[in-house]
Amino acid sequence: GEDVEQSLFLSVREGDSSVINCTYTDSSSTYLYWYKQEPGAGLQLLTYIFSNMDMKQDQRLTVLLNKKDKHLSLRIADTQTGDSAIYFCAAGSASGNTPLVFGKGTRLSVIA
Amino acid sequence: DAMVIQNPRYQVTQFGKPVTLSCSQTLNHNVMYWYQQKSSQAPKLLFHYYDKDFNNEADTPDNFQSRRPNTSFCFLDIRSPGLGDAAMYLCATSKSGRPYEQYFGPGTRLTVT
Repeated sequence: GEDVEQSLFLSVREGDSSVINCTYTDSSSTYLYWYKQEPGAGLQLLTYIFSNMDMKQDQRLTVLLNKKDKHLSLRIADTQTGDSAIYFCAAGSASGNTPLVFGKGTRLSVIA
Repeated sequence: DAMVIQNPRYQVTQFGKPVTLSCSQTLNHNVMYWYQQKSSQAPKLLFHYYDKDFNNEADTPDNFQSRRPNTSFCFLDIRSPGLGDAAMYLCATSKSGRPYEQYFGPGTRLTVT
């Protein structure tokens, strides 16, 4: 089955860019997602990318997908203290009716 | 504006005392999921409903049950909570054919005393 891996911690200074990396194993995963979880809250869908895309940009967020290497990254430009959270990478199918496979999450700490 | 609603947000129960958590959605999504999330861990899928079809994960304890009386509502019943069941319980929904819409509720934090 699918396995999703992420580094566990990232610390950046306010105003710098953050890059959170993720790898997955199942090349048939067609949608890849980034979720944000703030303390004590549920998961907020930040963005997703379809596997036939290389890049997707949404305001301060840029998602890069290297399908050959099964590598996904999330870049947050001009990182703010409000971006401090846990970021989960997830992989899913095209059907929309099967559960996502999550990574363990990357805890992003933003230093003022 | 809330799309996936979970009640209550915080639940305290006693060891062995049955508890029910609820989830409702206004998205008309046909798939609903229950996840358990312990501190600093990824969400762990317990089960999901695809329409009315119930799908249980192989390692979900028998202590956990679910009901989905209609499209909008889904319940998680914990028959005899143990201390190890203290966690955040997350409900999520999705729609067949629209995999880019997978939304989570805010979660219910369960404490077992």
